[in-house]
Amino acid sequence: QLQLQESGPGLVKPSETLSLTCTVSGGSISGSKFYWGWLRQSPGKGLAWIGNIYYSGNTYYNPSLKSRVSLSVDTSRNQFSLRLASVTAADTAVYYCARSFSDVTLSWGSRVYSFYMDVWGKGTTVTVSS
Amino acid sequence: QSVLTQPPSVSAAPGQKVSISCSGSNSNIGNNYVSWYQQVPGTAPKLLIYDNNKRPSGVPGRFSASKSGTSATLGITGLQTGDEADYYCGTWDSTLSTGIFGGGTRLTVL
Repeated sequence: QLQLQESGPGLVKPSETLSLTCTVSGGSISGSKFYWGWLRQSPGKGLAWIGNIYYSGNTYYNPSLKSRVSLSVDTSRNQFSLRLASVTAADTAVYYCARSFSDVTLSWGSRVYSFYMDVWGKGTTVTVSS
Repeated sequence: QSVLTQPPSVSAAPGQKVSISCSGSNSNIGNNYVSWYQQVPGTAPKLLIYDNNKRPSGVPGRFSASKSGTSATLGITGLQTGDEADYYCGTWDSTLSTGIFGGGTRLTVL
């Protein structure tokens, strides 16, 4: 059974870089049709997608965070990681890693996207405070 | 404010049926597949529905979903107290080039 587990500091100072790692067990991060993603949920708020990475290293990010976000993957350790630079209190949230399916097909000349997360980690709380 | 609009809350009695709506636009729901998630407070979201109306293995048939135009609907029949949770719709927005979610709907089973 595939499981994901987030790890990293629970407290980050303003202007510093938030770094989290997701360890995948029960399956390989490589060679599958799935992407590996990060999402977050601010206190009392809804879900927000941060970005996805493929095992080959291909990435795509939420445009609103793109200038501050970097995802990386370590297939030898079956892990992928998130770095979020220049954090502020607004970045305080529960951060989730997840397996993500992302695909685009053509229908009547238009691109149709399938996008969902089918396996989630339990989440880790990150507080930005001095 | 979320790009996808959901009612903040819905409620129904055990055994009854409830529907949760999710409204968007042509750049998201209108032209892309919709997914639905259940989140019991304090836990991670769980995928209930993907590609508009498909259920992952292990999700009971009491959960169903549909899409029409720029709106989607999640239906839950035979409500149980264990269904009390927050429910989120999600999809891709082709204009914003990002994954998006609704603001969530709190289901109370009275």
